[in-house]
Amino acid sequence: KNEVEQSPQNLTAQEGEFITINCSYSVGISALHWLQQHPGGGIVSLFMLSSGKKKHGRLIATINIQEKHSSLHITASHPRDSAVYICAVNLYNNNDMRFGAGTRLTVKP
Amino acid sequence: EAQVTQNPRYLITVTGKKLTVTCSQNMNHEYMSWYRQDPGLGLRQIYYSMNVEVTDKGDVPEGYKVSRKEKRNFPLILESPSPNQTSLYFCASSFRANYGYTFGSGTRLTVV
Repeated sequence: KNEVEQSPQNLTAQEGEFITINCSYSVGISALHWLQQHPGGGIVSLFMLSSGKKKHGRLIATINIQEKHSSLHITASHPRDSAVYICAVNLYNNNDMRFGAGTRLTVKP
Repeated sequence: EAQVTQNPRYLITVTGKKLTVTCSQNMNHEYMSWYRQDPGLGLRQIYYSMNVEVTDKGDVPEGYKVSRKEKRNFPLILESPSPNQTSLYFCASSFRANYGYTFGSGTRLTVV
């Protein structure tokens, strides 16, 4: 079983829809990251969380440490949000990173 | 502009020919790391460095070497590349390990 599990694997939405991507992990962590990888391959760091909730524009990320779960929400989705979203964690005992398999999001106009 | 610069962007090489992929950051970040990305396996950490002269193995370090002689540079060295090291490689840096990351543009390596 992977240490970091994401769902769904693929997601297609209509422009304007509210989107949720989930991430569950089974290890002790010191931080959780949400990354965005565009079709061209570049990776952008969206959020780093160790507790609570963060918001940046239309993106919201939450983490529940007790339940070992994080969610990434996109409000009023737009075709330019189409990308692969990757959840990653820093392991607690060292600074190794583990990654989820990614969620491929397609937003149709 | 704050950035992480990787070179080269694309590289085709032959088995056994030593190569170095360079990574440089201009943000005075302490933490730097290397990853590889493969279809079906996703991203995996190769090596990371907490600061100058401090490096540690990640999830898949076999066949790779790194060095951190200066804060800004963190080269990835393949002493004897093999076809199973064909992959897309990313370098990243961060103020500290648990802070937000800045990624390089990636290096697509093919070993024939």
